[in-house]
Formats: sequence, C-alpha cells, structure tokens
Amino acid sequence: DAEITQSPRHKITETGRQVTLACHQTWNHNNMFWYRQDLGHGLRLIHYSYGVHDTNKGEVSDGYSVSRSNTEDLPLTLESAASSQTSVYFCASSESRAGGYEQYFGPGTRLTVT
Amino acid sequence: AQKVTQAQTEISVVEKEDVTLDCVYETRDTTYYLFWYKQPPSGELVFLIRRNSFDEQNEISGRYSWNFQKSTSSFNFTITASQVVDSAVYFCALTGGSSNTGKLIFGQGTTLQVKP
Repeated sequence: DAEITQSPRHKITETGRQVTLACHQTWNHNNMFWYRQDLGHGLRLIHYSYGVHDTNKGEVSDGYSVSRSNTEDLPLTLESAASSQTSVYFCASSESRAGGYEQYFGPGTRLTVT
Repeated sequence: AQKVTQAQTEISVVEKEDVTLDCVYETRDTTYYLFWYKQPPSGELVFLIRRNSFDEQNEISGRYSWNFQKSTSSFNFTITASQVVDSAVYFCALTGGSSNTGKLIFGQGTTLQVKP
C-alpha cells in the first residue's frame, strides 16, 4: 500500500543546531507540503513543492528550507533551530494542485528545541 | 485572503448526544473546496469529507453529516449519537479552485471530548 512516512518521529535538539526532518511518499504524487501544528493555530503551511526542483514558501517559511531532488522526498531543514520552532510537523502529499484533491498526511514529527 | 474559523475551541458531550462542530470560511474564489479532517489522540490526520462550492447538497455518512450553506459561508459537521471513539480534534480546511495551488488553509481546530 502507498504511504507517506516521516522520520524521526520525535526529536530533541538544541538552539542553533541545524535539523533536517525527512518525508517520503510512495503515492507518486507530484505535490508535497510541510505544515506545522501549534495549539490555537491549527496547521500552517511552511513550504510546498509541485514537482522535482520546484519549491515555494508558505505562510510561515522563515527559518525553514526545503529541496526536492526526486518525486518521493521533501526534506525540511531548520537552518538554526529556535525555541519558537518547537512544534509538531506534518508532511502531506496530493495528486494534483487543483483544489479538489485531498491531501494525505504523514504521522508527524514532534520537535523540541531546548 | 482566505480564512477558516472554528469558533468552538473545545466541546464536551456525553455519549449518545448529538454534537455540531461549526466552520465558517472566507474566500473570494468562486470555485473552492472545503474539507474536514479528524485527528484522534494518536495524532494522525484522517480525511473525512470534501465538498466543492457548486454542490450545496448535505451529505450523510453513517452517524456523520455535513451541512454546507454558501449563504452563510458555513460548512458544519454533525455527529449523531456520539461515541467515545469520536473524541478527537476536528479541523475544517479550505482550498481555492481558481488559484489552483492545492494549499490547504486550516481552521484552529475543535477538540471534541465524548464522555462515557
């Protein structure tokens, strides 16, 4: 069965360190998204990609970067982790950029920055 | 700008009660899509329903039903005869069809607690 996986599931890091969160999907979807979930804010879009070598900034992109070298993976990098980036991070993918397609979500990564 | 508001932060009911989760949205798009997702205590996000802006028919799936009203920009979700397993955070989300980005705009979420 096709799926979307994230690793690690839990991560504790120190302020100032670089952190990379992995996202891998086997749906063969062109579109991939990164969200962060914080209490009171729902999920907010960080970065997204419509295909290989395409990346776009979302609502809360400061301090984050992504790269897309193949269809299956969209790693999220925190260049210099800050306590404000403590959150739960979700990766998602969808079949089409047209609005009617639901997104399939990974299980999430809980990141704590100390 | 697009926006989704779920004014109910937390709702607590006793099992078998009916409960309605409210969702109000804002968009300038004439074509758009609305979604509901469920996030149980285990943390994953589960897709429940998609509705496009041209289809105002209510939908029923078992104990779940959705009421879409363009006149009030609302897309409310009702659970009939609630069960403990319905305890979760529920998110309403919106994506615009004309902009064709596929990006989801989420509401803040409503935490539903169903007590036995």
